[in-house]
Amino acid sequence: ETGVTQSPTHLIKTRGQQVTLRCSSQSGHNTVSWYQQALGQGPQFIFQYYREEENGRGNFPPRFSGLQFPNYSSELNVNALELDDSALYLCASSLGGPTVSGEQYFGPGTRLTVT
Amino acid sequence: GDSVTQMEGPVTLSEEAFLTINCTYTATGYPSLFWYVQYPGEGLQLLLKATKADDKGSNKGFEATYRKETTSFHLEKGSVQVSDSAVYFCALRPPNTGNQFYFGTGTSLTVIP
Repeated sequence: ETGVTQSPTHLIKTRGQQVTLRCSSQSGHNTVSWYQQALGQGPQFIFQYYREEENGRGNFPPRFSGLQFPNYSSELNVNALELDDSALYLCASSLGGPTVSGEQYFGPGTRLTVT
Repeated sequence: GDSVTQMEGPVTLSEEAFLTINCTYTATGYPSLFWYVQYPGEGLQLLLKATKADDKGSNKGFEATYRKETTSFHLEKGSVQVSDSAVYFCALRPPNTGNQFYFGTGTSLTVIP
């Protein structure tokens, strides 16, 4: 059974650009959540996807968007990058649904640097 | 809104010392409470959890008790090892929200031989 994987590991972008981060859920998991972890801070919930639809969103602007695919892999897209978007982005998968709390498994993260 | 307040670090202890990391929370309803650990260069790993008042979560010698009267979930370990050096995060999950977690800011622990 493979765990949660994320790509790329590191990424450097320029302010104003767009970025796509990818996540492959643990086998069989149908729910994925994305978190932003700024340096020295705890992870902040961005949004959650279940059955290819966003279901739950934290305090992040619309330029943060996502997709979940039929195979439960997922993408996080960020448009018009700002310097404050520099952070570790974590993906987490679980088995359940928007109101069912299954155990959540985290990937190793993608380190995004915006210059 | 829901939030977690966690003891600030960094914390440095000698091997075999007693560890306490304080965590208090603010939430409506009855959240589930968690401790996660993050080793350098790795993602978060679930350490222990408690889903209702007075539950005690335990794993690898670590313990935490869900105290609703004090809205706390302090992490303890009787004898730390060098391998326990990591960043520890307290988190809560409100009921019926799937996996929308609220994390504390993390406490860095270094254990010296």
